Amino acid sequence: AQKVTQAQTEISVVEKEDVTLDCVYETRDTTYYLFWYKQPPSGELVFLIRRNSFDEQNEISGRYSWNFQKSTSSFNFTITASQVVDSAVYFCALSEASYSGGGADGLTFGKGTHLIIQP
Amino acid sequence: DGGITQSPKYLFRKEGQNVTLSCEQNLNHDAMYWYRQDPGQGLRLIYYSQIVNDFQKGDIAEGYSVSREKKESFPLTVTSAQKNPTAFYLCASSKRSGGYYNEQFFGPGTRLTVL
Repeated sequence: AQKVTQAQTEISVVEKEDVTLDCVYETRDTTYYLFWYKQPPSGELVFLIRRNSFDEQNEISGRYSWNFQKSTSSFNFTITASQVVDSAVYFCALSEASYSGGGADGLTFGKGTHLIIQP
Repeated sequence: DGGITQSPKYLFRKEGQNVTLSCEQNLNHDAMYWYRQDPGQGLRLIYYSQIVNDFQKGDIAEGYSVSREKKESFPLTVTSAQKNPTAFYLCASSKRSGGYYNEQFFGPGTRLTVL
C-alpha cells in the first residue's frame, strides 16, 4: 500500500527565512507520480508541482524549489526568502501510475504541514 | 472562466438525513474525484470516476454514494449510514492526455456540519 508521511505538523519562521518542508513516501510501484499542493485559509487546494518517478531532476520555480531523491524516497519542498503570503497548509501526495496513468485512481495525501510565516 | 464549482459552501443537516453535495466542472476534464478532509488530517479519497456512468470506490466509500450521468457533474450523497459525516468535502477533476491523467484541480469545498 502507498503512504505519504509529512512529519512536520507545523513550522513557524520569520519572514525572509528559508524553509524546507519534508515529504517521505512509500510505494511498491516503479512508476509513480508525486505532487505538492498548497491549501490557504480559504480551503481550496492549489496545485504546485507534479513529478514522475523517472525524472529526478530538481526543479526551481521562482522562490520555490523541489528536491526529489528516490534513494531516500523523499520529495522535499523549499521556499526561499519566505513571505507572509506563503502561510498555508502544504500537502504532499502520491499516485501510482499503473496502466491508467498517474492520478487516475486518486491521490494519497500526507497529513500536511502548517506553515506560518511571521512578519 | 473555467473551473470547478461546489455548492453550497456551508451546509447544515440534522442527524439521520441524507444530503447531496454538488460538484460541476467546465474544464472538459475526464476524471472527477471526491475527497474528505478532517481537521489536522490529509485528504482521503471517497469515490472517483474516470468516465461517464462509471465510478469506483476510494478508501472511505462506506456511507456515501455518487453518480456520473454527465461528464461535467459528479454529485456526492452523504447518507445516514455515514457515522461521522461532519467534515470538509473537496471535489477535484483531471484531464486525460493520451494514456495518462494530468494533475488534479480542486474546487473550493463544502463544509458539512451534521447537528
